[in-house]
Amino acid sequence: NAGVTQTPKFQVLKTGQSMTLQCAQDMNHEYMSWYRQDPGMGLRLIHYSVGAGITDQGEVPNGYNVSRSTTEDFPLRLLSAAPSQTSVYFCASSYSSGGGGEKLFFGSGTQLSVL
Amino acid sequence: GENVEQHPSTLSVQEGDSAVIKCTYSDSASNYFPWYKQELGKRPQLIIDIRSNVGEKKDQRIAVTLNKTAKHFSLHITETQPEDSAVYFCAGTDQAGTALIFGKGTTLSVSS
Repeated sequence: NAGVTQTPKFQVLKTGQSMTLQCAQDMNHEYMSWYRQDPGMGLRLIHYSVGAGITDQGEVPNGYNVSRSTTEDFPLRLLSAAPSQTSVYFCASSYSSGGGGEKLFFGSGTQLSVL
Repeated sequence: GENVEQHPSTLSVQEGDSAVIKCTYSDSASNYFPWYKQELGKRPQLIIDIRSNVGEKKDQRIAVTLNKTAKHFSLHITETQPEDSAVYFCAGTDQAGTALIFGKGTTLSVSS
């Protein structure tokens, strides 16, 4: 099993550009989520999904869109990139739910810079 | 929603000393409290967790204690080693009990 795979690992964008961060898992996990990590701010939840066709907002959803058309994939879309979205992004998944006592498996992260 | 506060933000200890990191949570309905360790440049990984029906849990040199009345839980690392140097995150569940909300992290430095 590859686990949780994130692409790309690094990305530089100009303000106003859009892009999609990819996340895929091969563990048949129902729950998937996106976090951003900024110095001194910890891991902040952007969006999450408890299954295909179901998504919900986390702590910092503004400026981001998600969809979950398959169990395996959970892409994160930046609609119009802003410098404030410069961050390291982690995708994480678990069998049923992140808050329900299941171990979260993290991807290796995407380092995004918005100029 | 759930708010998880973590202290201290940085902690420096000598090898062999003990380290304690404390977290408080706001939602009394929260019932699951994991701790994640993130080494430099790596992804976070679960090291220990506790559920609200248990007061303490140990795994070799690490332990977690939970005080539901006071709504706080702590990570204890004994006999610290240089490889314990990392950022440690506590977490609690959101109001729906679905997602994990993390604290801001504690950077632990163990010097030999």
